[in-house]
Amino acid sequence: EPEVTQTPSHQVTQMGQEVILRCVPISNHLYFYWYRQILGQKVEFLVSFYNNEISEKSEIFDDQFSVERPDGSNFTLKIRSTKLEDSAMYFCASNPKRGTTGELFFGEGSRLTVL
Amino acid sequence: GESVGLHLPTLSVQEGDNSIINCAYSNSASDYFIWYKQESGKGPQFIIDIRSNMDKRQGQRVTVLLNKTVKHLSLQIAATQPGDSAVYFCAERSYNTDKLIFGTGTRLQVFP
Repeated sequence: EPEVTQTPSHQVTQMGQEVILRCVPISNHLYFYWYRQILGQKVEFLVSFYNNEISEKSEIFDDQFSVERPDGSNFTLKIRSTKLEDSAMYFCASNPKRGTTGELFFGEGSRLTVL
Repeated sequence: GESVGLHLPTLSVQEGDNSIINCAYSNSASDYFIWYKQESGKGPQFIIDIRSNMDKRQGQRVTVLLNKTVKHLSLQIAATQPGDSAVYFCAERSYNTDKLIFGTGTRLQVFP
């Protein structure tokens, strides 16, 4: 069964460092997303991406964040200068089509710990 | 503002019993609702969805009920099994947006 894969599974970084989280969405999917979940809290939307551009972003997704689809398979989330409050589980998700289904396919997440 | 929340943070049920997990939402513009299951250390997994023009939808062992009058959503799990133990999130989406707004989650614990 096709699945969304994420790397790394866990990353520890120092405050102020840049972090890149990587995702390989399901191959025939066209819509890509990043969500995050701070420990013990609910899942929060960060950004959606379609046709090589951001289609929607939340207020959390400030100038420190960026997303990119550098090739035909990877979808990355970059945090330029990490803060302590960026510590969370980051989930990538993909969807073959927008709007008609909420059946997002989530990866297993990348845990980011900022020290 | 918009919000999605859950009434019960933890629900404990005996194996074989039926489970009911509740969710309240406040955004009248939401037209699509989804239930996700999240097992420890994993990403959310789609369970079932329902559109605002429906009030009930059934899947395999699961039923989602939508009451738009009181902005309430519930997930019913029949014959709950140990493998159902997880955190369950409701999520909503408005017709004019692509983002899902998740509730705070309910932990379902199934004991023998």
